[in-house]
Amino acid sequence: GQQVQQSPASLVLQEGENAELQCNFSSTATQLQWFYQSPGGSLVSLLSNPSGTKHTGRLTSTTVTKERRSSLHISSSQTTDSGTYLCAMNQGGSAKLIFGEGTKLTVSS
Amino acid sequence: EAAVTQSPRSKVAVTGGKVTLSCHQTNNHDYMYWYRQDTGHGLRLIHYSYVADSTEKGDIPDGYKASRPSQENFSLILELASLSQTAVYFCASSDVRDSGNTLYFGEGSRLIVV
Repeated sequence: GQQVQQSPASLVLQEGENAELQCNFSSTATQLQWFYQSPGGSLVSLLSNPSGTKHTGRLTSTTVTKERRSSLHISSSQTTDSGTYLCAMNQGGSAKLIFGEGTKLTVSS
Repeated sequence: EAAVTQSPRSKVAVTGGKVTLSCHQTNNHDYMYWYRQDTGHGLRLIHYSYVADSTEKGDIPDGYKASRPSQENFSLILELASLSQTAVYFCASSDVRDSGNTLYFGEGSRLIVV
């Protein structure tokens, strides 16, 4: 079945450093979303990027559909960026999102 | 004001008991979902719904039922709770008109089965 693999599993940075998170998926995605899960557990959608490059604030996502990969770049990381970043994809017109296991980011001051 | 609210936020249930998790959304979205998250893992889809009075099986539906009595409400029912159903459950909604299918999540319901 469809699979989503994220790397690294965890990442520790000093405040101000940049983060690069990777997401690889086993089949062509028609929808690709990045989510942030806070240390308290709440989930929020960061951006949807099925192909190409998208920016929002300090976040940049690049998805290369035919290579079945997406990345999330966080520039000038802040301690408040700490949490888990989840990648999710689906195929065709399905509303079913398949999630990766996430990258846990820790930013220290 | 939170657009997707879940209740209860936390519950301890006994094995074999019935558990109902409720979800209410004010986003006016057609799609609603129930996911479960186990410690240190991503989310897995249990049931979802496109429209009121209709539900669809997700990837891990065994042991769960779902009910969508109205556009705003979506419940997850565990008829006979088991230890393996200890997890955090998230409800979400999305807009069928949104090509990106952005999901809006509730705060989660932590279920412990003893």
